[in-house]
Amino acid sequence: DGGITQSPKYLFRKEGQNVTLSCEQNLNHDAMYWYRQDPGQGLRLIYYSQIVNDFQKGDIAEGYSVSREKKESFPLTVTSAQKNPTAFYLCASIPAGGNYGYTFGSGTRLTVV
Amino acid sequence: AQSVTQPDIHITVSEGASLELRCNYSYGATPYLFWYVQSPGQGLQLLLKYFSGDTLVQGIKGFEAEFKRSQSSFNLRKPSVHWSDAAEYFCAVATSGTYKYIFGTGTRLKVLA
Repeated sequence: DGGITQSPKYLFRKEGQNVTLSCEQNLNHDAMYWYRQDPGQGLRLIYYSQIVNDFQKGDIAEGYSVSREKKESFPLTVTSAQKNPTAFYLCASIPAGGNYGYTFGSGTRLTVV
Repeated sequence: AQSVTQPDIHITVSEGASLELRCNYSYGATPYLFWYVQSPGQGLQLLLKYFSGDTLVQGIKGFEAEFKRSQSSFNLRKPSVHWSDAAEYFCAVATSGTYKYIFGTGTRLKVLA
C-alpha cells in the first residue's frame, strides 16, 4: 500500500545535538511538508518542498533544515539552534495539480533530555 | 492573512448523541476547506473536503460538513456519535492554487458511554 513512513516513532536528543527525522513516501507525490504539533497550538509549518532540489521556509523554520534530493524523501534536521525542539513532528505530502488534501505520516515524537 | 478558528477546545458528548464541531475561517475568496481527525500519537486522517459546488459535503465515518459563506464557517456534524469517534479534530484552510494549509488549534472530543 502507498503511504508516508516516518521514522523513528520516538526520538530522544541531548541538548546541543542535531537529529534527523526521516520522511519517505511511495505515493509519487510532488510536494512534501513538515509540520510541528504542540498541545493547544495546532500544526505549524516548518518547511515545504514542491519539487526536487527546491524547498521553502514555513512559519517556524528557525533551528531546522531540510533537503530534497529525491522525490520520495524529505528529511528534517533539528539543529542545536532550535531552542525548544520537544514536540510531535508530522510529515505530509500532496500530488501536484490538485488540492485533494494532505496525506500524513504517523509522526515522530522528539524529546530533549 | 488567512486564519482558522476552532472555538471549542474540548467537547464531551454521550454516545448516540449528535455532534457539531465549529470552524470559522478568514479568507477573502472561496477557500479550500478540510476536516481531519487525529487519534493519540498518530498522524491526521482526512475526513472530508470542500472545494466548490454543493455546500453540504459528505465524508468518511458518517461525518458531514456544511460550508456557509455568509458566516465564514465550515462546521462538522455527525448525527450519532460512536465511542470510537473520540479523538482530536482539526479544521484546515488552503487558498486556491497553493498547497500550504493553515490549521486550527483543534477540538478534542470525548465520548461518554
